Amino acid sequence: QITLKESGPTLVKPTQTLTLTCSFSGFSLTTNGVGVGWIRQPPGKALEWLALIYWDGATRYSPSLKTRVTITEDTSKNQVILTMTNMDPVDTATYYCAHGLSWYFDVWGRGTLVTVSS
Amino acid sequence: EIVLTQSPGTLALSPGERATLSCRASRRVISSYLAWYQQRPGQAPRLVMYGASSRATGIPDRFSGSGSGTDFSLTISRLEPEDFAVYYCQQYGELPQTFGQGTKVEIK
Repeated sequence: QITLKESGPTLVKPTQTLTLTCSFSGFSLTTNGVGVGWIRQPPGKALEWLALIYWDGATRYSPSLKTRVTITEDTSKNQVILTMTNMDPVDTATYYCAHGLSWYFDVWGRGTLVTVSS
Repeated sequence: EIVLTQSPGTLALSPGERATLSCRASRRVISSYLAWYQQRPGQAPRLVMYGASSRATGIPDRFSGSGSGTDFSLTISRLEPEDFAVYYCQQYGELPQTFGQGTKVEIK
């Protein structure tokens, strides 16, 4: 059974850097064809794709956030980390990580709400 | 990037009725790489359909998907109480992946 769980701060100040961890089980990120993605959703709004890391270590980013976002993996810990710099109140959202398979997302974490406020 | 436009924004129907949701892409979606997700209040999205017409694991057969190119639809043949939710389409054939703005299916 594949599970994912997001963790990190619930409140960050403007200009700070956000670091979120996705801890997963039930699959290996080294398996051909597998990926983990990050998606966010501002309160009451639609989903927004942020980044994806593939089984071979390749990464892809949303063009609008490419300069601020980094996705990395720690395969020994079964974790994927999202880092977002220069946080702003408009970045307030629920952040989800999800298991990617060709590259729709078939299993999602429950999400973590991050509020950006001073 | 491919822009996905979903219609209608809200669909008010009664249990047992048929729901048809539309997702239109600003340009052709490669290989019908289009997915649909269901999101109930306070929950994470749940995959319903992928490849435009393939049901995800555990999704009942009252859900069906169709379409190709730029026009796609999700049909729920007979609405059950648990089907009232927001539905999002997503194209994953081209980066960046993009989502539609969602269609809310609410109880009439």
